[in-house]
Amino acid sequence: GAVVSQHPSWVICKSGTSVKIECRSLDFQATTMFWYRQFPKQSLMLMATSNEGSKATYEQGVEKDKFLINHASLTLSTLTVTSAHPEDSSFYICSARLAGASYNEQFFGPGTRLTVL
Amino acid sequence: QKEVEQDPGPLSVPEGAIVSLNCTYSNSAFQYFMWYRQYSRKGPELLMYTYSSGNKEDGRFTAQVDKSSKYISLFIRDSQPSDSATYLCAFKAAGNKLTFGGGTRVLVKP
Repeated sequence: GAVVSQHPSWVICKSGTSVKIECRSLDFQATTMFWYRQFPKQSLMLMATSNEGSKATYEQGVEKDKFLINHASLTLSTLTVTSAHPEDSSFYICSARLAGASYNEQFFGPGTRLTVL
Repeated sequence: QKEVEQDPGPLSVPEGAIVSLNCTYSNSAFQYFMWYRQYSRKGPELLMYTYSSGNKEDGRFTAQVDKSSKYISLFIRDSQPSDSATYLCAFKAAGNKLTFGGGTRVLVKP
């Protein structure tokens, strides 16, 4: 149980285009989902927290107009990287919080590798 | 000072050896202490979590927390080549936000 999927697993795009990444909780409902970014050989950095039906909360330094997050249902959150540039190339990982767990455990998706040419 | 310090490694051990990993932290508000394993190009998976000082054992894994020293450890007994991965410590205060260490890359050689 508690499986989180991401689509696509990898994407290559041209500079200036927009890319949408989907995060789904397959066998549970997630009122809260999280988006992380991980650069090579570095740790995960939280970008934003997404609550179903409300606006996402972005971490300091993350441009909300560039990284659009939508959490329209209890099982789906999307991250759209708008006008992507090479410096946005990274590994994007989502997680979903299992509601009711004693310490709000997060289950992570397999990640999406974005390469912007 | 970084909120979390973790040696990046790599840590190379022979199969069957004990792997010893640790993290130090500075935020006294951290209440939950976790270890994740991340294989290359995959998302992290939770190995252990605890919320109190002391030891917690699960199979070959033992997590140790010393709140007074702000120091946590993970020990892997009878290490296997399949244990080769990056191990991330993670911390949570009140609320949902997880703070991760930089990860230690572990290589278990057959």
